[in-house]
Amino acid sequence: QVQLQESGPGLVKPSETLSLTCTVSGGSINYYYWSWIRQTPGKGLEWIGYIHYTGDTNYNPSLKSRVTISVDTSKNQFSLKLSSVTAVDTALYFCARTGSTGWTHFDFWGQGTLVTVSS
Amino acid sequence: QSALTQPRSVSGSPGQSVSISCTGTSSDVGGYNFVSWYQQHPGKAPKLMIYDVNKRPSGVPDRFSGSKAGNTASLTISGLQAEDEAEYYCCSYARTYTLVFGGGTKVTVL
Repeated sequence: QVQLQESGPGLVKPSETLSLTCTVSGGSINYYYWSWIRQTPGKGLEWIGYIHYTGDTNYNPSLKSRVTISVDTSKNQFSLKLSSVTAVDTALYFCARTGSTGWTHFDFWGQGTLVTVSS
Repeated sequence: QSALTQPRSVSGSPGQSVSISCTGTSSDVGGYNFVSWYQQHPGKAPKLMIYDVNKRPSGVPDRFSGSKAGNTASLTISGLQAEDEAEYYCCSYARTYTLVFGGGTKVTVL
């Protein structure tokens, strides 16, 4: 059974860069797309972007200028960087694996990690 | 404001059927057969219930079904059970090569 675990700082200062890592266990990071999704009480769920194990990426246009997703296949990990954060970036951040038939749905999720943006 | 519109809440008694609508546009729900549905219990991660409009992942009970007509997708839960009480979210591929979610629907089992 594939398992995903998010890790990273729970508190980030405004204007700084949010950095999270997702570690995949119970399966290889190869041959799938891997996404970051965040959840806030106000905006609900928001897809941030995906990375393919080959390094191909696709980002939500609303966040594209601030987002970088990378992959380290040797560590079975992928990472998220979100720059110039503000309070509106405070959210529960999930990493997820997209389904085997395409990148448009998510069949395995991490438990989520809360990131608060505050000075 | 979410891109896809869902009712805030629906309710039903055990054994009844409930349906949740997810309304978008021809640029997302209506234009592609890439609608998925997720169930989320409090404090838990979302769980995939339906993908590609009407396909059920292994392990999801067959009382969960999905459909689409025009710009509106629907999730139907037949034979409602207590454990079905949760928040449900729809998600669709959109023309701008992105994914958009609905605002969520709280299902209450009376």
